[in-house]
Amino acid sequence: GDSVTQMEGPVTLSEEAFLTINCTYTATGYPSLFWYVQYPGEGLQLLLKATKADDKGSNKGFEATYRKETTSFHLEKGSVQVSDSAVYFCALSGDTGRRALTFGSGTRLQVQP
Amino acid sequence: KAGVTQTPRYLIKTRGQQVTLSCSPISGHRSVSWYQQTPGQGLQFLFEYFSETQRNKGNFPGRFSGRQFSNSRSEMNVSTLELGDSALYLCASRPAGGQGETEAFFGQGTRLTVV
Repeated sequence: GDSVTQMEGPVTLSEEAFLTINCTYTATGYPSLFWYVQYPGEGLQLLLKATKADDKGSNKGFEATYRKETTSFHLEKGSVQVSDSAVYFCALSGDTGRRALTFGSGTRLQVQP
Repeated sequence: KAGVTQTPRYLIKTRGQQVTLSCSPISGHRSVSWYQQTPGQGLQFLFEYFSETQRNKGNFPGRFSGRQFSNSRSEMNVSTLELGDSALYLCASRPAGGQGETEAFFGQGTRLTVV
């Protein structure tokens, strides 16, 4: 079945540092890939998505590129802020008949001033 | 446009009881999915409803059930509660139809504690 593996946290960075959170996936066909973010006490918010190979999703300074050859979708940001502290989830959704989201285990990011 | 609304936000129940959680999707969205989030198992898919029909189901026991009404509002029910059912239950809605690439919008969740 489908699966998503992302790096263990917590990841602790200083403000303005570079961020990378690794995500790899296993799926048949051509899944869509997502990064969701969860702030304390909240539900999930979509951060960015990519629906086909070599697509780059971007939002709020975050970027991730759909790499089919390495089955990866790593999240990056050039300069993190304290307000980026949250839990980040990589997820995939299959094509017709497999629309349910499969999530990775989540990576907690802590940004220190 | 109002977001996905889940009620109640918090619930405390006793083992053996049953519970019903409610979800109102974004206006115009006809697909509603439910997920369970626990520290040990992470986020796991429970089921998806579209136009009042269950169209996908995760690997959960039959104690977990759901339904969708004609106005797209959805409820999920858990019977004979166990301590392990303590979790954050998240509801997500998607626009009508659509494939896997369409964004799922999540509610804030219902925190269920079983004692």
